[in-house]
Amino acid sequence: QQQVKQSPQSLIVQKGGISIINCAYENTAFDYFPWYQQFPGKGPALLIAIRPDVSEKKEGRFTISFNKSAKQFSLHIMDSQPGDSATYFCAASRSAAGNKLTFGGGTRVLVKP
Amino acid sequence: ETGVTQSPTHLIKTRGQQVTLRCSSQSGHNTVSWYQQALGQGPQFIFQYYREEENGRGNFPPRFSGLQFPNYSSELNVNALELDDSALYLCASSYGGTQETQYFGPGTRLLVL
Repeated sequence: QQQVKQSPQSLIVQKGGISIINCAYENTAFDYFPWYQQFPGKGPALLIAIRPDVSEKKEGRFTISFNKSAKQFSLHIMDSQPGDSATYFCAASRSAAGNKLTFGGGTRVLVKP
Repeated sequence: ETGVTQSPTHLIKTRGQQVTLRCSSQSGHNTVSWYQQALGQGPQFIFQYYREEENGRGNFPPRFSGLQFPNYSSELNVNALELDDSALYLCASSYGGTQETQYFGPGTRLLVL
């Protein structure tokens, strides 16, 4: 059972553009929502994370928007750069169950120069 | 401060064999989680160890087993390998059994023929 659904599967954006990736979750007990970036041959690296008590969090060019009632959250990459070309994963976990992450299927982002 | 390391980087086995993968957690971390990442998919949680005790398990059969040692390094053992076990196996370490940031290693690529 896929508890975190991620879209789109792939995305092409021009340098300087905005990349938007969306995720939807089913389990209302989830209370921690991180985004990971993965380059080929590497393990995932945490980009940014949010908890449901805030609707938006920004770190540099990366912003998470969170809609608790819709059970959706999204990652916006502003001023996309070729170095941002990677696979991005959303994830979710429950504090009562420790930090056992449930991942989305991933979005492959290609930033064209 | 050293990061999460995994060994070996690549491994080829045949069906029915057994394999042991190793992970050294980041300095100061006492929690290790293992994930399986099939090609083109998001990581799936296998199990977690906190202070040498199993602290939760995902939907994986008993032939997947693990250990955590007093220095918090960890092993993942898989018995009776099947073709579908071919994947990237990721280890992640963190401090505490709660929602602390998980730091992933580069993974071990396992191919089962």
